[in-house]
Amino acid sequence: GESVGLHLPTLSVQEGDNSIINCAYSNSASDYFIWYKQESGKGPQFIIDIRSNMDKRQGQRVTVLLNKTVKHLSLQIAATQPGDSAVYFCAESSNYKLTFGKGTLLTVNP
Amino acid sequence: EAGVVQSPRYKIIEKKQPVAFWCNPISGHNTLYWYRQNLGQGPELLIRYENEEAVDDSQLPKDRFSAERLKGVDSTLKIQPAELGDSAVYLCASSLRDRGLPDYEQYFGPGTRLTVT
Repeated sequence: GESVGLHLPTLSVQEGDNSIINCAYSNSASDYFIWYKQESGKGPQFIIDIRSNMDKRQGQRVTVLLNKTVKHLSLQIAATQPGDSAVYFCAESSNYKLTFGKGTLLTVNP
Repeated sequence: EAGVVQSPRYKIIEKKQPVAFWCNPISGHNTLYWYRQNLGQGPELLIRYENEEAVDDSQLPKDRFSAERLKGVDSTLKIQPAELGDSAVYLCASSLRDRGLPDYEQYFGPGTRLTVT
């Protein structure tokens, strides 16, 4: 069936560096793509979304890029901070249903 | 504003025993979701309610899982009997399904970590 997956299971960066988390998706009919952050012992938290007809969207310190040609989604975090350490999931929304990928563990070293 | 509340936070049971999880969504949210999250995986939808109606339960293993959302507010998810493979985190989420609001703006609770021994 359709699926959303991640290229890298773990990512370790130095505090202050920029982080890039990647995701591949297969359902070209998805309406939105979303990034969630999940800290230990908590539920996923919405970070940023992008509509399927957009290429780029910026938030506060985060940018999401969508490349529909290769079905690739990325999350860029600027000036990564220790509080950014968490598991990041990409998800796609289609027909009111969210499908999550496997997650990338981001570790920020002080 | 209080977030999604779930209880218990942790539950350890022996296989073949029953177990129930409770969720109280954000006040005013008409849509409620139950997800199962295995270690290192993303959440997988089990059931979605709009008010009292289960509008998507296609992924709910109906032979042992059941859910209810009486009065369209709180919800309970039950497993009977539990199997070893049911060990996971069970997440509840809620959203306000309304014109102009994306359905994926779901707010998640902290989850119930179930261990079946």
